Amino acid sequence: QQQVKQSPQSLIVQKGGISIINCAYENTAFDYFPWYQQFPGKGPALLIAIRPDVSEKKEGRFTISFNKSAKQFSLHIMDSQPGDSATYFCAASYNQGGKLIFGQGTELSVKP
Amino acid sequence: DADVTQTPRNRITKTGKRIMLECSQTKGHDRMYWYRQDPGLGLRLIYYSFDVKDINKGEISDGYSVSRQAQAKFSLSLESAIPNQTALYFCATSDWELGYTFGSGTRLTVV
Repeated sequence: QQQVKQSPQSLIVQKGGISIINCAYENTAFDYFPWYQQFPGKGPALLIAIRPDVSEKKEGRFTISFNKSAKQFSLHIMDSQPGDSATYFCAASYNQGGKLIFGQGTELSVKP
Repeated sequence: DADVTQTPRNRITKTGKRIMLECSQTKGHDRMYWYRQDPGLGLRLIYYSFDVKDINKGEISDGYSVSRQAQAKFSLSLESAIPNQTALYFCATSDWELGYTFGSGTRLTVV
């Protein structure tokens, strides 16, 4: 079964807008929730990560919101730029160095 | 040089052929992974290794095998390739502080 569910599958946003990608997980033992960004022809790269003891983490234009009771977390990209166009993956694991379980991915396109 | 290097970058092979994908890393990490990426399915774990003597199956290991030749080398084999193994394959390493580092991927096509 899919332990991490991601939506939407694709997203089109205008330049300057807010991009929001959502993920839901099933296993309450997960302790680490990263987001990865992938450009064509490249491997995924860590963008931002959060642990369940905080509800929000912000790094520049990127924010993770975490709702432990709902078992959901989301990525917000403020002031979206064409250079943000990429595929984004949420993931979860039992610890930071352990095996990751990924969501299905979201292909983001930011239009100029 | 890249921290995680995968070879080949692209490969076309015929059904029934044996093929090996290679991965080497300069990060000095003990933990290494092989993932498969398919559109709409994300990345799915094939095999992982937490040290040279430790090999574990992931969620989709059927039809695949691995070898951990050294701390820095982790290879993935398809003993008899089939068309539904056509995918993008990623090798990764991890540690407790910095998390995962992925290679650039191998695009495999089985015809």
